[in-house]
Amino acid sequence: SAVISQKPSRDICQRGTSLTIQCQVDSQVTMMFWYRQQPGQSLTLIATANQGSEATYESGFVIDKFPISRPNLTFSTLTVSNMSPEDSSIYLCSVGQPMNTEAFFGQGTRLTVV
Amino acid sequence: AQSVTQLDSQVPVFEEAPVELRCNYSSSVSVYLFWYVQYPNQGLQLLLKYLSGSTLVKGINGFEAEFNKSQTSFHLRKPSVHISDTAEYFCAVSLRRAAGNKLTFGGGTRVLVKP
Repeated sequence: SAVISQKPSRDICQRGTSLTIQCQVDSQVTMMFWYRQQPGQSLTLIATANQGSEATYESGFVIDKFPISRPNLTFSTLTVSNMSPEDSSIYLCSVGQPMNTEAFFGQGTRLTVV
Repeated sequence: AQSVTQLDSQVPVFEEAPVELRCNYSSSVSVYLFWYVQYPNQGLQLLLKYLSGSTLVKGINGFEAEFNKSQTSFHLRKPSVHISDTAEYFCAVSLRRAAGNKLTFGGGTRVLVKP
């Protein structure tokens, strides 16, 4: 298994500002993903964080709004840029290995934009 | 592309009663199936998974699920619930060819256990 730490756990931000969320894993992992969970809804994949290259974004998500870094195999950041109240969500980091069928999740970052 | 449908958005149930959460999926390729639980203000925890073999899968906390290929279903059951089972439950799939990879989630089922 993997232990995942996300920071911050929650934040309240002003519209128009940006927030960077950190995801730290206690072991090297191949796959790292970022999900969004809007209030009362399910999880939607934002992007796959690729080590040493640009992230792979899902339909509806763009790099300018959600820039992602993955400098090594244990760490990634997701930035939510130019925030609006519609960005209020829980953002979750997830990790996995190619030959492992299970995905592990961090505790999430609860973001409120006012 | 794959999709997951959880047929019940909310399920109220009395303590010690049985509960079943329904999940149907659609995919043109083989998938793995998962149930995750999210307790209030927490991340996701894996309850159980179906990879292959026996269609009845047992998980943690007394939960079990049955894979039905012909009906493309993966319903979750518990014979007797506790107050502590109050949580949101997510059914999810991942592509077999991309194990440990990204998940597609259903809409979630909120279980409220009443005393």
